[in-house]
Amino acid sequence: KAGVTQTPRYLIKTRGQQVTLSCSPISGHRSVSWYQQTPGQGLQFLFEYFSETQRNKGNFPGRFSGRQFSNSRSEMNVSTLELGDSALYLCASSPGTANEKLFFGSGTQLSVL
Amino acid sequence: SQQGEEDPQALSIQEGENATMNCSYKTSINNLQWYRQNSGRGLVHLILIRSNEREKHSGRLRVTLDTSKKSSSLLITASRAADTASYFCATPGLGGSGDKLTFGTGTRLAVRP
Repeated sequence: KAGVTQTPRYLIKTRGQQVTLSCSPISGHRSVSWYQQTPGQGLQFLFEYFSETQRNKGNFPGRFSGRQFSNSRSEMNVSTLELGDSALYLCASSPGTANEKLFFGSGTQLSVL
Repeated sequence: SQQGEEDPQALSIQEGENATMNCSYKTSINNLQWYRQNSGRGLVHLILIRSNEREKHSGRLRVTLDTSKKSSSLLITASRAADTASYFCATPGLGGSGDKLTFGTGTRLAVRP
């Protein structure tokens, strides 16, 4: 089975722009979770989707949004980028529940200038 | 906010030595997991231990869980240079499906050849 695929691998944007990140989960996995990783804050949970529905959401502003498609692929969007949004964004999938073994992608490294 | 706190933050050992890292958490859990992350990449699941288990082994890994002290330890025996990575503990809350994993602050392990 192919692993979790995240695109793009690297992204450079300027303040005020918006960005869309993509995640293709492992075939058959219906849960997709997104995390933000920064040196200062560590790994922070953004949100989790299951069967196209957001099941859980972290403490991030409304500029951060996501969605999941019928094939379980997921996208996250960040609007009006700020310098502090520079981070490694990680996507993880699992067959069902999001609190057992997660399979992570390699991440998208976002730099906001 | 972080559920788990790892200790030490950084560890440097010689190849062949054992590495022990600890994790403390705050709330009741039904399982605790350990993940490894190579620099700038995604996380890889290592082992899951359930709240009714006290010890679990997987290859050179040994994990213990003490729910009365809300702590866990990960022991890597006979370390290799390839074990150089950051190690995170992760815990879900109690709540069934739709829950999320909260990650600790991580231990950076350096294994010198």
